Amino acid sequence: TLKESGPTLVRPTQTLTLTCTFSGFSLTTNGLGVAWIRQPPGKALEWLALIYGNDDKRYTPSLQSRLSITKDTSKDQVVLILTNVHPVDTATYYCAYVDDYSDSLEKNWFDPWGQGTLVTVSS
Amino acid sequence: EIVLTQSPATLSLSPGETATLSCRASQTVSSYLAWYQQKPGQAPRLLIYAASNRATGVPVRFSGRGSGTDFSLTINSLEPEDFAVYYCHQRANWPSTFGQGTRVEIK
Repeated sequence: TLKESGPTLVRPTQTLTLTCTFSGFSLTTNGLGVAWIRQPPGKALEWLALIYGNDDKRYTPSLQSRLSITKDTSKDQVVLILTNVHPVDTATYYCAYVDDYSDSLEKNWFDPWGQGTLVTVSS
Repeated sequence: EIVLTQSPATLSLSPGETATLSCRASQTVSSYLAWYQQKPGQAPRLLIYAASNRATGVPVRFSGRGSGTDFSLTINSLEPEDFAVYYCHQRANWPSTFGQGTRVEIK
């Protein structure tokens, strides 16, 4: 299981820090990963970043300069940082599990997801 | 970046009818495409992976097909719990991308 946590309200230009706390796996194995996806109210899903057990990281190009993803294996957590936020960053932020080395193709997709956390950017 | 275009944006159907949703990729994704279902206030749920494989626990009325750039999701004999928003998703290339969604609503 995965669960997101973080502030519900952030002021414009501030830095948003979100934490995904997971259980049932260890993010020390190659191929295992945790992704972040966001969804503005009433809009579509947008993939943001992914970190693997070997610390390989991927970012969506449009936000790469503002995003940072890290993991703390001792706490079973993944942290997403988004700098210089603006109202357009208002969204529900989800984390999700993926296993790209699994023999089961089903595990190569984002599943399961956390419940999501709504972040509002407003002054 | 691969753009996924879903159509129609909204599908209005009655329970018992068949829904056919389309997802077109701006370039080939081979079979690296999945479908998710999202209900209000809930996280997305994986329905179909690798274009045509049902995820664990997904009813047989859901089926996916396609490869390359054209994909479809069919829901046979719609049940009341199937009225939701459906997203296609590709992992063929970075960045991973989602379609804009198709809402299946009760007519």
